[in-house]
Amino acid sequence: DTGVSQDPRHKITKRGQNVTFRCDPISEHNRLYWYRQTLGQGPEFLTYFQNEAQLEKSRLLSDRFSAERPKGSFSTLEIQRTEQGDSAMYLCASSVLTGVHGYTFGSGTRLTVV
Amino acid sequence: AQTVTQSQPEMSVQEAETVTLSCTYDTSESDYYLFWYKQPPSRQMILVIRQEAYKQQNATENRFSVNFQKAAKSFSLKISDSQLGDAAMYFCAYPNFGNEKLTFGTGTRLTIIP
Repeated sequence: DTGVSQDPRHKITKRGQNVTFRCDPISEHNRLYWYRQTLGQGPEFLTYFQNEAQLEKSRLLSDRFSAERPKGSFSTLEIQRTEQGDSAMYLCASSVLTGVHGYTFGSGTRLTVV
Repeated sequence: AQTVTQSQPEMSVQEAETVTLSCTYDTSESDYYLFWYKQPPSRQMILVIRQEAYKQQNATENRFSVNFQKAAKSFSLKISDSQLGDAAMYFCAYPNFGNEKLTFGTGTRLTIIP
């Protein structure tokens, strides 16, 4: 168990560019969650997967955002045509099916759109 | 919808003293869980303690304990014998029934004074 890994740790991109983040959850965890955290705020839910199925998306997730979890393993979060408002920390977390024992979070990807 | 409120943006405590962080929440459910998460400057969110609503006994994990008042919908975290390593943002969180997506409070920044 090496924990939840996120890559990259930091990403600086120009407005209008596309970016993709990766999350590798704990291998035996069925559920994978993406959250966004802006400065001074708590994380906000974006989307989650149970195995390879994306079961829920927040309305925070505009059409420019897409997430995948092929084969129920790692997940990617892509943002197209980035805007300055997309600048935030993107956190990934995983859990066993119910999640009532709490999640394991990754260290996050800090996105800065210039 | 569930809401989580942390009314103390910042707290400070002398090393070795005790500090209590407040959290209130709103829910219409009768059975649920509550979490406290710690986010140090290194960013990774770490589960500190969890409480099951149907248990009357307050949860305890070493120096961390909670005061859970179900009727008042209050869930405070007490840190005893504060240590420098306790300095972090602390988030209270409520998992939504079924998908366990977390609703976080806005956090309390805890500073430990040597």
